[in-house]
Amino acid sequence: SQQGEEDPQALSIQEGENATMNCSYKTSINNLQWYRQNSGRGLVHLILIRSNEREKHSGRLRVTLDTSKKSSSLLITASRAADTASYFCATDRGYSTLTFGKGTMLLVSP
Amino acid sequence: ETGVTQSPTHLIKTRGQQVTLRCSSQSGHNTVSWYQQALGQGPQFIFQYYREEENGRGNFPPRFSGLQFPNYSSELNVNALELDDSALYLCASSHPDVHYGYTFGSGTRLTVV
Repeated sequence: SQQGEEDPQALSIQEGENATMNCSYKTSINNLQWYRQNSGRGLVHLILIRSNEREKHSGRLRVTLDTSKKSSSLLITASRAADTASYFCATDRGYSTLTFGKGTMLLVSP
Repeated sequence: ETGVTQSPTHLIKTRGQQVTLRCSSQSGHNTVSWYQQALGQGPQFIFQYYREEENGRGNFPPRFSGLQFPNYSSELNVNALELDDSALYLCASSHPDVHYGYTFGSGTRLTVV
């Protein structure tokens, strides 16, 4: 069963615009992670935010976490065509196993 | 290049057959997990191995089994294949002392016909 749910399911933007994806989950967590997947291949780890953190940055990525609302958001600033991919949030309840959402498909047009 | 290698890349099997998928993790990554990703879905946790012992299992039947070896390689075995087993199978490894997320392989695309 899926723990998280990403919103929107699909997002289409122009290069240079910002992309925001949201994730909601159901149970308490140890940390939340975001992954990118290109063309149905392997997942690439983007960023991890712990349950006691509220915001984290990595390059053009900004992640927020609101444990009271059981939600997270991923912001990609100044999007590039190469950012076109599926993005997944995954929750870790502390047992070192990940529960993924269904993902958001991002299309960045030149 | 992720440091986690999976083989084969693609595989076609017939319903009822058995299949073995392989994964080679990074040195020192003594935790390995396997995930199944159906088309259009997020990955689903199958099981995890830590120091060659099963350390957690998702909602998958016993015909899904695994092994982990001392050289950081592992296998996923699926018996009595069903059409619904068609999916991308992903292996992920992590280091016990550094929790920065998991390193995934590129996956094996299994098609059951």
